[in-house]
Amino acid sequence: QVQLQESGPGLVKPSETLSLTCAVSGSSMTSGYYWGWIRAPPGEGLEWIGSMYHSGSTFYKPSLQSRVTISIDTSENQFSLRLESVTAADTAVYYCARGRGNTGLFDFWGQGTLVTVSS
Amino acid sequence: DIVMTQSPDSLAVSLGERATINCKSSQNVLYGSNSKSYLAWYQRKPGQPPKLLIYWASTRESGVPDRFSGSGSGTDFTLTISSLRAEDVAVYYCQQYYSSPYTFGQGTKLEIK
Repeated sequence: QVQLQESGPGLVKPSETLSLTCAVSGSSMTSGYYWGWIRAPPGEGLEWIGSMYHSGSTFYKPSLQSRVTISIDTSENQFSLRLESVTAADTAVYYCARGRGNTGLFDFWGQGTLVTVSS
Repeated sequence: DIVMTQSPDSLAVSLGERATINCKSSQNVLYGSNSKSYLAWYQRKPGQPPKLLIYWASTRESGVPDRFSGSGSGTDFTLTISSLRAEDVAVYYCQQYYSSPYTFGQGTKLEIK
């Protein structure tokens, strides 16, 4: 059973850095999957943030690229999201997810974690 | 970026009746070398993560009831729920995974009439 679980602060101050980790169980992180982050602002739809392959290759949504870093620790079976210089517009439920094969098709998702940007 | 546009934004259907949601992509998401449309449908219920229902436009994910079906190719796609059940109340999203940045439709809220 593949499971993903996000963890990290639920409240971040404006201009600071949002950091989340996704723990993966039931799936090897080196067996041909992409690992991604998706967010959903309250009452809004889904927005893909970025994805990473275990080899280290990453790709990000262009409008977020200057502020986003996704990294992976295969020894700990987890991957992480860093989003710098946050504003209230970054308030959202953040999901981590597994990308099937070498695609952006997300087949398993974490439960999601709400991150609020506020002073 | 490929823009995904769903219609309608909301839909109310009686129990046991058919629900149809449409999705249009601003660019072709059909990959010529394998003849597959890189289009998925997800179901999102309150407080839950999105659940993958359909991929390659028409392939049902394992465990998804057969009342859910997907159709279409290229730029125009449809999700059909053949006989609506109460547990199908949710927001439904289409997504293209043809090219990065991967993009979702704005969502269609499905309710019981």
